Amino acid sequence: QVQLEESGPGLVKPSETLSLTCTVSGGSISRYYWNWIRQPPGKGLEWIGYIYHSGSTNYNPSLKSRVTISVDTSNNQFSLKLSSVTAADTAVYYCARSGYLAPLDYWGQGTLVTVSS
Amino acid sequence: QPVLTQSSSASASLGSSVKLTCTLSSGHSSYIIAWHQQQPGKAPRFLMKIEGSGTYSKGSGVPDRFSGSSSGADRYLTISNLQFEDEADYYCETWDSQKVFGGGTKLTVL
Repeated sequence: QVQLEESGPGLVKPSETLSLTCTVSGGSISRYYWNWIRQPPGKGLEWIGYIYHSGSTNYNPSLKSRVTISVDTSNNQFSLKLSSVTAADTAVYYCARSGYLAPLDYWGQGTLVTVSS
Repeated sequence: QPVLTQSSSASASLGSSVKLTCTLSSGHSSYIIAWHQQQPGKAPRFLMKIEGSGTYSKGSGVPDRFSGSSSGADRYLTISNLQFEDEADYYCETWDSQKVFGGGTKLTVL
């Protein structure tokens, strides 16, 4: 059974860079797409972007200028960096797996990141 | 990009059935969608994907009470014999060059 777990700071200051890592266990990071999704408190889901195991990426156009997703296949991890954060970036951040032109089928438990000074 | 439309809320009685709807925007009626369940305070969970033909395939461990269907641009999630644990937010998802979510339906079990 594939499991995903997010890790990283729960508090980030405005204008700084949010950094999170997702560790994949119970399966290889190869042959799948690895996604980041976020959910502001009390609101719906927003897709941030994905990375393929080869390193190719695809980002939500609304966040593209601030987002970088990278992969570390040797450690079965992938990471998210979101720069120049504001209070509007406060959310629960989820990592999730998907196949090619396929739905998100495994989700992490999520981690709350608060942007505040 | 496709847009997914969901009703903001729905309610039904314990033991009854409910049918939730996710509507694809014009020009995207053939798209496959997925349903996810998010219980209070928990991460979303993949329930199933539904094709335009109505064929659906469920995720691991999803109870038989959950089924899917399709009509035109509408994709449905039907939950039979409602349980209190089914009270949750339900999101639909689709994909093109990027992934898209509906706004979610909050289901209350009375």
